[in-house]
Amino acid sequence: DIQMTQSPSSLSASVGDRVTITCRASQGISNNLAWYQQRPGKAPNLLIYAASTLQSGVPSRFSGSGSGTDFTLTISSLQPEDVASYYCQNYNSAPYTFGQGTKLEIK
Amino acid sequence: QITLKESGPTLVKPTQTLTLSCTFSGFSLRNNGMGVGWIRQPPGKALEWLALIFWDDNKRYSPSLKSRLTITKDTSKNQVVLTMTNMDPVDTATYYCTHRPPDGSYLDYWGQGTLVTVSS
Repeated sequence: DIQMTQSPSSLSASVGDRVTITCRASQGISNNLAWYQQRPGKAPNLLIYAASTLQSGVPSRFSGSGSGTDFTLTISSLQPEDVASYYCQNYNSAPYTFGQGTKLEIK
Repeated sequence: QITLKESGPTLVKPTQTLTLSCTFSGFSLRNNGMGVGWIRQPPGKALEWLALIFWDDNKRYSPSLKSRLTITKDTSKNQVVLTMTNMDPVDTATYYCTHRPPDGSYLDYWGQGTLVTVSS
């Protein structure tokens, strides 16, 4: 199985800050990487797929980059509604594993 | 507009078999590339990928749970069923049904989830 490791596990930042979350795959997965946002008490929501393609309707302050084993999710200017947990997912080969999540809070 | 909704018991006893149904609309599992998957999330913990069924009836399972899981589809009813045998309290989680688009096994639509508690 491919292991997905996210860092940090939790993060506190101020409104307007630039925030970066990283995800590392235990082996190369090309660009077959997705990012999800899960607000408290809600189902996850797809933000980015193919490592850098923004899902329709997702604000442009979200962006993704990377290929192979190292990936990043960036929020260019943190907003209060971005308080959530964020998960990366390998979909290069089954099992399509998730990272352990990053919990983002506002300072 | 794609929607998915999970249904099934909210409480099961240890050793029992869990059967969850996912009823969906807005797409057909007859269409090339489509898939429906199941994800679970124990309270306060991370997402765990469980299983995926493709339009052509190919199936993928989590290796750690493969012996306990079965995923099937009823294309005429727009329904996918997940069964998990020998339930244990550690299987207490919210179970989500998800849509796989034709271009990759990421998950672009999610059901609201259903909380299943395993307790005697």
